[in-house]
Amino acid sequence: DIQMTQSPSSLSASVGDRVTITCQASQDISNYLNWYQQKPGKAPKLLIYDASNLETGVPSRFSGSGSGTDFTFTISSLQPEDIATYYCQQYDNLPETFGQGTKVEIK
Amino acid sequence: QVQLVQSGAEVKKPGSSVKVSCKASGGTFSSYAISWVRQAPGQGLEWMGGIIPIFGTANYAQKFQGRVTITADESTSTAYMELSSLRSEDTAVYYCARGRSFHCTGGVCYGTPFDYWGQGTLVTVSS
Repeated sequence: DIQMTQSPSSLSASVGDRVTITCQASQDISNYLNWYQQKPGKAPKLLIYDASNLETGVPSRFSGSGSGTDFTFTISSLQPEDIATYYCQQYDNLPETFGQGTKVEIK
Repeated sequence: QVQLVQSGAEVKKPGSSVKVSCKASGGTFSSYAISWVRQAPGQGLEWMGGIIPIFGTANYAQKFQGRVTITADESTSTAYMELSSLRSEDTAVYYCARGRSFHCTGGVCYGTPFDYWGQGTLVTVSS
């Protein structure tokens, strides 16, 4: 199975801060990577697909980049409603695997 | 508007089976994939398997091979996930999710990304 390693596992930032999460794959996955946001008690929500494509309706402060084994997810200006856990997911090979998640909190 | 509506919470005894349903509306059921993802309490997301109704075949994570069966009924736009030989570690919220596109590799196709999700079904395994 392809292992996805996210860092950090949690972070605390102020409203308006730039937030960056990294995701590293255990092997080359090209751009076959998605990012999801999950709020407590809710189902995940798709934010970014194919590493860098913003899902329709998702605010432009969210972005993704990377290819191969190293990927980055960025919130350009953290908002109170962005408090959630974020997951990367690879789909290069089955099983589709997720990172362990990054919990984002407001400082 | 696409909606995935899952069946209600279940409490099961160890060794028994559970079958969770996921009824889709607002889209063309056969044209997409349905995956099942579970989340144990306080833990991350784990893909269990998926099915593309138009192809009819399911793919499973090796971890669940032999214990999980995913099926789809095109006539009712409903997907099912049955997990057998339940143990306490299977206590989790189980989600169905629609895979918008197909990704094919090595002769196997599966759905991605997961653009719509069910509300989740809590399965509790306890004696």
